[in-house]
Amino acid sequence: AQKITQTQPGMFVQEKEAVTLDCTYDTSDQSYGLFWYKQPSSGEMIFLIYQGSYDEQNATEGRYSLNFQKARKSANLVISASQLGDSAMYFCAMREGGSGNTGKLIFGQGTTLQVKP
Amino acid sequence: SQTIHQWPATLVQPVGSPLSLECTVEGTSNPNLYWYRQAAGRGLQLLFYSVGIGQISSEVPQNLSASRPQDRQFILSSKKLLLSDSGFYLCAWAPRTLTTNEKLFFGSGTQLSVL
Repeated sequence: AQKITQTQPGMFVQEKEAVTLDCTYDTSDQSYGLFWYKQPSSGEMIFLIYQGSYDEQNATEGRYSLNFQKARKSANLVISASQLGDSAMYFCAMREGGSGNTGKLIFGQGTTLQVKP
Repeated sequence: SQTIHQWPATLVQPVGSPLSLECTVEGTSNPNLYWYRQAAGRGLQLLFYSVGIGQISSEVPQNLSASRPQDRQFILSSKKLLLSDSGFYLCAWAPRTLTTNEKLFFGSGTQLSVL
């Protein structure tokens, strides 16, 4: 069964510094997708970045990059030059290719990031 | 463009009362629809998903049920709420023609407090 693990319940980072949020996953599928979402205190879910299991390069989206290590089954989110507005909860999620037309996303427990001024 | 509406935003209900949360999607047809629940400070748990009208799959046994009476309408219900039903409920949709990279689009959520 697929599983997503985020081992850091809470993280602190100084403004303008980089921070890495950890995510490991478990799946028996060869085809899968990995997602990161941001959830501010308002509760909305904001999509940040996607990495496919067959993508050879790490995904990047502005200040967000995904450190994808397939053999280790890890998909860590790196936020560069942290801003106060980055303070939020961050979720790693996975969709297995074998999920067919269901499109289910399975989420980790989340990491709360606080950016210090 | 596609939008997803979810209401109410907050709800306080007594134990044993019924529940109905509604979610509608605009600007797309035949979406996949999902209900997630988030306990305070925790991750998102998938409760139900639907790939078509009247087609509901449950991920966890519980006190809740879901229905999809129309293509773009998804309803979460309970006949008698329990304290453990408290949480933040999120509706989401994704295009039917899914590839692994298709993200979910979420509604704004309903904060349910059962007292």
